[in-house]
Amino acid sequence: EVQLVESGGGLVQPGASLKLSCVASGFTFSDYWMSWVRQTPGKTMEWIGDIKYDGSYTNYAPSLKNRFTISRDNAKSTLYLQMSNVRSEDTATYYCTRVSPGRTFDYWGQGVMVTVSS
Amino acid sequence: DTVLTQSPALAVSPGERVSISCRASEGVNSYMHWYQQKPGQQPKLLIYKASNLASGVPARFSGSGSGTDFTLTIDPVEADDTATYFCQQSWNDPRTFGGGTKLELK
Repeated sequence: EVQLVESGGGLVQPGASLKLSCVASGFTFSDYWMSWVRQTPGKTMEWIGDIKYDGSYTNYAPSLKNRFTISRDNAKSTLYLQMSNVRSEDTATYYCTRVSPGRTFDYWGQGVMVTVSS
Repeated sequence: DTVLTQSPALAVSPGERVSISCRASEGVNSYMHWYQQKPGQQPKLLIYKASNLASGVPARFSGSGSGTDFTLTIDPVEADDTATYFCQQSWNDPRTFGGGTKLELK
């Protein structure tokens, strides 16, 4: 069974940094591209970016490219999202997703909440 | 960015057929996908590449369309289908989602 389990969320002050993790199981992690997607409290969904199966290439939404960094450790079957200089508009639930051929998000984690507030 | 437009909400009775539409601001070929999200849960893939049923999804769900106009159909609707349905395109970067259609049962 495919499982994606995110962690690392919480309350963070504006301007701070935060690193989210996602541990994958139930499939060969190193065979798949992976993505992060977020959902605002108003339920708007936004693709953040993705990373190639070997970590050699990343692709980001232009609006987030300068502040967010995606990385992975295939030995640990773990995906990461480094968030820097966070803003109130980054308040959202962050989902780790597996990317299937066709760039569909075929499996989603349960999500981790990030709240940016002073 | 490719804007995906969905109707905000629909209400149907169990046993009926419902069609949920998604219109793209520019062509996305057949690279439109549909997700179901129930309250408090993560999204679940229903349909990929316009018309392909994801693994384990009941045949009551189907998808159609190409280019800019796409439809998710549920026939017949069951009580458990109460959820928000999102479309998402992966033809153009950045990948984008529709605003979601909340399906309520009468």
